[in-house]
Amino acid sequence: RKEVEQDPGPFNVPEGATVAFNCTYSNSASQSFFWYRQDCRKEPKLLMSVYSSGNEDGRFTAQLNRASQYISLLIRDSKLSDSATYLCVVNINDYKLSFGAGTTVTVRA
Amino acid sequence: DAGVTQSPTHLIKTRGQHVTLRCSPISGHKSVSWYQQVLGQGPQFIFQYYEKEERGRGNFPDRFSARQFPNYSSELNVNALLLGDSALYLCASSPYASGTTLSQGGYTFGSGTRLTVV
Repeated sequence: RKEVEQDPGPFNVPEGATVAFNCTYSNSASQSFFWYRQDCRKEPKLLMSVYSSGNEDGRFTAQLNRASQYISLLIRDSKLSDSATYLCVVNINDYKLSFGAGTTVTVRA
Repeated sequence: DAGVTQSPTHLIKTRGQHVTLRCSPISGHKSVSWYQQVLGQGPQFIFQYYEKEERGRGNFPDRFSARQFPNYSSELNVNALLLGDSALYLCASSPYASGTTLSQGGYTFGSGTRLTVV
């Protein structure tokens, strides 16, 4: 079983729409959780950390459900610039990040 | 300020050859991690080094090795290249070694080396 699993999408949404997607993780001892953004053929960049109480960063809202071992990301008022692959990332131990395969989001005009 | 720099940016090698990839972390960062990203997949952890010591190794064969130098730069070496080694190799640096930095999402990735094995 993969450590982190994501719906690959693609999610194709119009500008201004809301899009949401989840990932699940297998290790209940996981400590930290993140969403990274990766543009085509570029390096991953940290979008936001995910906290147990849920957190927002502008148009982005992340939720964590430890009991069910899933993490979600919601994007409101989608912009063309939000088109990217979103990677769900879980910290298994002190030195390793485990990445999902990514969810592709395309925002169309 | 310079970010994480990796060299070369692109590389083509033949099966069976050896390759060395290089990474310079952000100034002041003592931790370097290596990840392999195959097309269509998320990055997979290969190694982490902190203060020149290996702190973790992923599920990769012994053909993969790495080291960190006194100036905290790092090399990833891959011997006896296989077609399946074709991937984007990412280096990430951090000022810290462990959990604190992860909870802060403190890893910064370089733009990677794209290795093609033919």
